[in-house]
Amino acid sequence: GESVGLHLPTLSVQEGDNSIINCAYSNSASDYFIWYKQESGKGPQFIIDIRSNMDKRQGQRVTVLLNKTVKHLSLQIAATQPGDSAVYFCAEASSGYSTLTFGKGTMLLVSP
Amino acid sequence: SAVISQKPSRDICQRGTSLTIQCQVDSQVTMMFWYRQQPGQSLTLIATANQGSEATYESGFVIDKFPISRPNLTFSTLTVSNMSPEDSSIYLCSVAKAGQGPYEQYFGPGTRLTVT
Repeated sequence: GESVGLHLPTLSVQEGDNSIINCAYSNSASDYFIWYKQESGKGPQFIIDIRSNMDKRQGQRVTVLLNKTVKHLSLQIAATQPGDSAVYFCAEASSGYSTLTFGKGTMLLVSP
Repeated sequence: SAVISQKPSRDICQRGTSLTIQCQVDSQVTMMFWYRQQPGQSLTLIATANQGSEATYESGFVIDKFPISRPNLTFSTLTVSNMSPEDSSIYLCSVAKAGQGPYEQYFGPGTRLTVT
């Protein structure tokens, strides 16, 4: 399929390592954040979300951390697998608005 | 989640022509959106497709260039009009389901458009 990660920052890890993907946002009014995973040739897939009244949320093998003070969001993937190789996007939204604003994206490459 | 399909999956079009992209979802949804993803870039929202009324366009996108229809709760179309090579992109529709808020959006597989 067509790659969407030609010009994106890249994180390369070994299988089994933990991965941390970072995202900075600029809108202080944003109070809802989502991480999406986009595999080559596919649409983005919802991974996990977090509201601004939380600073940490855990899912299956994934953890999202939110630092509102410095407007920073991170996605931690435990025991990274080759199937985790994809482009990861953070997205933000503000209460009262029905739209998402997407960040630039990071390509994660997992080597066996 | 919702199962979303898009047609066509890809197309190669000539400059000056128009292409209509269809988005079909398997259940009724409250909101439908259209995004553009240029090669190697992130997603940019084009518009929110409103059932029975004109779409709500984001800054930089206009109805004459990207007319949108949404005749019911499961279907929408996006037309890319008078295409130029700069319109070469992936076009994605997304949906938000009732009770899940507008932010938990699910995406279709995308339509890969190349304009020559």
